[in-house]
Amino acid sequence: SQTIHQWPATLVQPVGSPLSLECTVEGTSNPNLYWYRQAAGRGLQLLFYSVGIGQISSEVPQNLSASRPQDRQFILSSKKLLLSDSGFYLCAWSIRGQGVTRSGYTFGSGTRLTVV
Amino acid sequence: AQSVAQPEDQVNVAEGNPLTVKCTYSVSGNPYLFWYVQYPNRGLQFLLKYITGDNLVKGSYGFEAEFNKSQTSFHLKKPSALVSDSALYFCAVRLRSNDYKLSFGAGTTVTVRA
Repeated sequence: SQTIHQWPATLVQPVGSPLSLECTVEGTSNPNLYWYRQAAGRGLQLLFYSVGIGQISSEVPQNLSASRPQDRQFILSSKKLLLSDSGFYLCAWSIRGQGVTRSGYTFGSGTRLTVV
Repeated sequence: AQSVAQPEDQVNVAEGNPLTVKCTYSVSGNPYLFWYVQYPNRGLQFLLKYITGDNLVKGSYGFEAEFNKSQTSFHLKKPSALVSDSALYFCAVRLRSNDYKLSFGAGTTVTVRA
């Protein structure tokens, strides 16, 4: 069966420090991968998505970047965190080809990031 | 641009009473619609989806949703709510022509009191 792992679960970082959040998927190949952010009391904002190794699409200009060094690995990074980067970050995957039409998204358990 | 709206930030119901969480969409073309549930500090869990076919869709945990094209709505329903249904619920929409991205509503917090 397919599983998605996301870590760490919680993170407290000072302003100006770097960030690296990792997401890995098991039990499937060639997934579409996504990073979402959920700010406190607000909905989900799509940050990045990837349809293959090295292929990253950015949805909004921001202080973050994403990379996909391996087929089932998706990394969210920042060189210098801002206070506004605080939030709940969710990784998700969907089946390539069928996309979301049949499988929808499967989400990781999320990372709670607090920038202080 | 496609969008989905959840007009209620919060819904409060007593246990055993019917639960409805509202969702309306605005897309050009035939929508693909989804409902997800999120428990505190957890990821989102898939509940159900409408792609085509019967307008009444049944999903996990006794939930169902009715697709209404004339009203552009996809309301989530449960005939008898449980305290354990208390969570944050998200409606999402995707256009058939774009197979990658889901657009989520702002979410509705459901509280079921004992």
